[in-house]
Amino acid sequence: AQKITQTQPGMFVQEKEAVTLDCTYDTSDQSYGLFWYKQPSSGEMIFLIYQGSYDEQNATEGRYSLNFQKARKSANLVISASQLGDSAMYFCAMREGLGTSYDKVIFGPGTSLSVIP
Amino acid sequence: KAGVTQTPRYLIKTRGQQVTLSCSPISGHRSVSWYQQTPGQGLQFLFEYFSETQRNKGNFPGRFSGRQFSNSRSEMNVSTLELGDSALYLCASSSVPGLAGARETQYFGPGTRLLVL
Repeated sequence: AQKITQTQPGMFVQEKEAVTLDCTYDTSDQSYGLFWYKQPSSGEMIFLIYQGSYDEQNATEGRYSLNFQKARKSANLVISASQLGDSAMYFCAMREGLGTSYDKVIFGPGTSLSVIP
Repeated sequence: KAGVTQTPRYLIKTRGQQVTLSCSPISGHRSVSWYQQTPGQGLQFLFEYFSETQRNKGNFPGRFSGRQFSNSRSEMNVSTLELGDSALYLCASSSVPGLAGARETQYFGPGTRLLVL
């Protein structure tokens, strides 16, 4: 079964508008971490934001915020005021199994975001 | 602070050969993870090293191996290359891997593009 699901293979957003990229995850662990990354066409993987499972407040980093709904196992990325440079692949990832033999970070399939001028 | 560096950036090999890729993490980071990225399989976890010890290993054959040195630099080796090993190999360094309650930041290097002919 997929551990990380990103249901939107591709999305379009108008410049300066906000956009939400969906991510749902599957884990039975109580302690885990969630990440979002951006990968432009150059291939570089850029860290955007991190949310720990015990964090009560949603993480924010500049124009990026993570809408964390623990009961629904959802960790959606919200990008406010989209810019042309935001066009890229976006990956949701999860570190589970903290301190165990299966401790690792796994990635979702990604969402391709295109910002339209 | 210098970012994660990977060498070489591009590599062309033929089937049956072996290859060694190198990764230098961000100064102070003791965790290094390796990932393989292909269009068909997405980002797949290879292994993670922390303080010269392999913490976990993904579902890859024994031809894929790695190690970490005392200065946290890591190498991965692929022996008896196959066509399907053609991929972007990404290395990531982490500040506090897998510690419950800690805010983890995981930064990626630019990757090594391996082409097997």
